[in-house]
This record gives sequence, structure tokens and C-alpha cells, in this order.
Amino acid sequence: DQQVKQNSPSLSVQEGRISILNCDYTNSMFDYFLWYKKYPAEGPTFLISISSIKDKNEDGRFTVFLNKSAKHLSLHIVPSQPGDSAVYFCAASFAGGTSYGKLTFGQGTILTVHP
Amino acid sequence: GAVVSQHPSRVICKSGTSVKIECRSLDFQATTMFWYRQFPKQSLMLMATSNEGSKATYEQGVEKDKFLINHASLTLSTLTVTSAHPEDSSFYICSARSTSGAYEQYFGPGTRLTVT
Repeated sequence: DQQVKQNSPSLSVQEGRISILNCDYTNSMFDYFLWYKKYPAEGPTFLISISSIKDKNEDGRFTVFLNKSAKHLSLHIVPSQPGDSAVYFCAASFAGGTSYGKLTFGQGTILTVHP
Repeated sequence: GAVVSQHPSRVICKSGTSVKIECRSLDFQATTMFWYRQFPKQSLMLMATSNEGSKATYEQGVEKDKFLINHASLTLSTLTVTSAHPEDSSFYICSARSTSGAYEQYFGPGTRLTVT
């Protein structure tokens, strides 16, 4: 049961344009969501997170939007840079209970930013 | 800040031997560390949750006698793959959550295990 899904395996954008990475989830009880960036043979790097009580969080070039009714979140990168090329994972977790702190990851989306 | 290291970064071992992987939080204390496994072109799968001073909690389908976890201090957790087999070959990644209570987990660089 894939509770967190990233339906686009890859995305290609031009440098300077906006990159929009999407993520859907099925469990409405998730308390917060996170985006990670990963290069091959390296651990994920934390980018940005959002609590389920918010609908937007912004940090520099990265903005995460959460639509709870649609169980959908997206990561916007503006402007995109070639160095942003990597695999992006969204993840979801709970703030309490037996699953406290455990991250459930999506399948990842490969972002390629062309110069 | 929030640096997590793993050692070794790469290890090759023979079938039947055991391998220990260390995960350290370098600049913060972590009461909880997590161990993940990633197969090629797949997502990260949580294997177990490691709590300082107590037994690890394993996810369904993960053999606790095969993947021994010890969280001896607030900055160190170890994963030992016992009696390794070729199917255990994978990329193992740990993460740590700060005791400050923030949601973010910080990941180590990963360990590539190859069992021959």
C-alpha cells in the first residue's frame, strides 16, 4: 500500500524557469510533510517541510504547497538552476503515536534542469 | 549544523560474514535514529527505529535477528548485518532526529554493501 505517491518519475525544465514537483498521499492522518533532494549514492538532503495545519511554507527558492482536501502537495523551485538536478522525494510522517517520526517516502522524481 | 555521518561508505564482504555500519550525529544529540534501505531506482524503505537506551523497533518483514541495531549513546547507532547473503546487498542509510523536537530528519551519506 503506497501511502505516498509521486506519479511523475521525471521532470525536465529550463534553467531560470519554475520546477513543480507533485506528491499525493492517501492517509489523511499524516501530520507533516517533507521534501528531500538526493544525489546517487548519497543520503537525502532535507529541503523544506510543512505542517498539516498550514497550506504554504516558503524558504528561499523553495515553496511547498499543501492541499489537504485533495491530499496533494507540491514543491515549487523558482528559479530552477542546473545544480537542482537530482532526485526529489516527498515524505510524510506523524507527530505522535506508534509511528511517531517515521517517514514514509514517495518513489521520487528525477529533476533535470537544462542550462 | 545537523550533520550525520556513516561509516564505512562502502563495504564488500563474503557470504556468511557479518558487517557493522555506524551512524553518528556529529553536532546534535539524537534520541531516535532510523535505518533505511534503498534498492536501485526505488524509494527508501524504513527498516527500523533505533531509540537510545532501548530496543529497536523493526518494520514488518524486517528480520530483527539478521539486522541487529544498537543505539548506545545519543550520537551513535549501529546496524549489524549478520550472516550476510548476496540479497542483502543494498544501499543502507541512517537518519537522525534531533532531541530538540523538530520534525526534520537528517540523513547520513549512506553505506553501499555488496555481499559476494
